[in-house]
Amino acid sequence: EPEVTQTPSHQVTQMGQEVILRCVPISNHLYFYWYRQILGQKVEFLVSFYNNEISEKSEIFDDQFSVERPDGSNFTLKIRSTKLEDSAMYFCAGSGEQFFGPGTRLTVL
Amino acid sequence: AQKVTQAQTEISVVEKEDVTLDCVYETRDTTYYLFWYKQPPSGELVFLIRRNSFDEQNEISGRYSWNFQKSTSSFNFTITASQVVDSAVYFCALGGSDSGAGSYQLTFGKGTKLSVIP
Repeated sequence: EPEVTQTPSHQVTQMGQEVILRCVPISNHLYFYWYRQILGQKVEFLVSFYNNEISEKSEIFDDQFSVERPDGSNFTLKIRSTKLEDSAMYFCAGSGEQFFGPGTRLTVL
Repeated sequence: AQKVTQAQTEISVVEKEDVTLDCVYETRDTTYYLFWYKQPPSGELVFLIRRNSFDEQNEISGRYSWNFQKSTSSFNFTITASQVVDSAVYFCALGGSDSGAGSYQLTFGKGTKLSVIP
């Protein structure tokens, strides 16, 4: 059964640094999503992506965030200048059942 | 705006007991989807079920069953004969699009932490 994959599984970075989180969605999905979960809290929607552009985004998804699908397979989330409060688990998901990837734990020091 | 309420923050049961996790939702959409996910201590989100708003039939899958009642905006989840491996945080989620854009973002509840004691 096809799976959503995410890399890296854990990323540690210094405040102010840029990070790129990568996802390989299931190939026949059309919509792609990023969510985040701060430790011990609920999962929150960040952004949806369709036909190579952002479909919807939440208030959390400010100018520090960007998404792209550079090569038709990878789907990336970039945080331009990380803050301490960006520390969270980031999940990628695809349309339909919204199967989630295993997540990337981002730790900002 | 959409909202999902999971009023039970934590539940503890003894192995083999049945347990029901409650989920109440709010939406103005006529078409929407309801989900349950399991999050074990390892952190991944495991898809359990998706139900669309037009299908009110209850569903059973092994020891799991779901009761969807549109009249009370509830989508409750029951585990029969609970096992230690069922210990996890369970999230209910509502899928809909405020903008009608075609995609549907999920709104999650805060989760219910289930502990099954041997």
